[in-house]
Amino acid sequence: QKEVEQDPGPLSVPEGAIVSLNCTYSNSAFQYFMWYRQYSRKGPELLMYTYSSGNKEDGRFTAQVDKSSKYISLFIRDSQPSDSATYLCAIYTGANSKLTFGKGITLSVRP
Amino acid sequence: NAGVTQTPKFQVLKTGQSMTLQCAQDMNHNSMYWYRQDPGMGLRLIYYSASEGTTDKGEVPNGYNVSRLNKREFSLRLESAAPSQTSVYFCASSVRDRGPGTQYFGPGTRLLVL
Repeated sequence: QKEVEQDPGPLSVPEGAIVSLNCTYSNSAFQYFMWYRQYSRKGPELLMYTYSSGNKEDGRFTAQVDKSSKYISLFIRDSQPSDSATYLCAIYTGANSKLTFGKGITLSVRP
Repeated sequence: NAGVTQTPKFQVLKTGQSMTLQCAQDMNHNSMYWYRQDPGMGLRLIYYSASEGTTDKGEVPNGYNVSRLNKREFSLRLESAAPSQTSVYFCASSVRDRGPGTQYFGPGTRLLVL
């Protein structure tokens, strides 16, 4: 089983929709969970990270971790065309700052 | 402050040719990484360097070599390119006090091997 699994999408939503992006992970010892955003033909950039369980909110974005089900989610409220990008979940495995990434999901927000 | 820079931006190689991808960071980060990104495969770690003078294999190291030239620079070498190495290559760097898992990525090098 891979350390982190992410539905590959793609996902297309109308402007203003609530978007839910999800990943599952395999090792219950993992503590740090990240979401990276990657615009077309650019490098990924860190969007948010959460530690252990619970929610973290930043403007229209909410990252959520459910450790009991090993599920991590990113919610985008009032989605905008500028949110169109690929979103990658990642897990910090604790060794040398290494990350394991999901495959990424491409989101398109239609005006 | 340029962050992480990569050269070249795009390269076409013939099977069997060699090349070196260059990466430099000006943020005084200790750790540096090389990833490849393929459609449907996500980002996969090729090699990483936890600190100057050390390098270690990642998930997909076969066919690649790396050199941590100094704290700023981390190069990736393809000795004999194969079509399976057609990909987008990203370099990244990190430092612990920015938070675990916080990596800064370069703009990528698009490599086509014919």
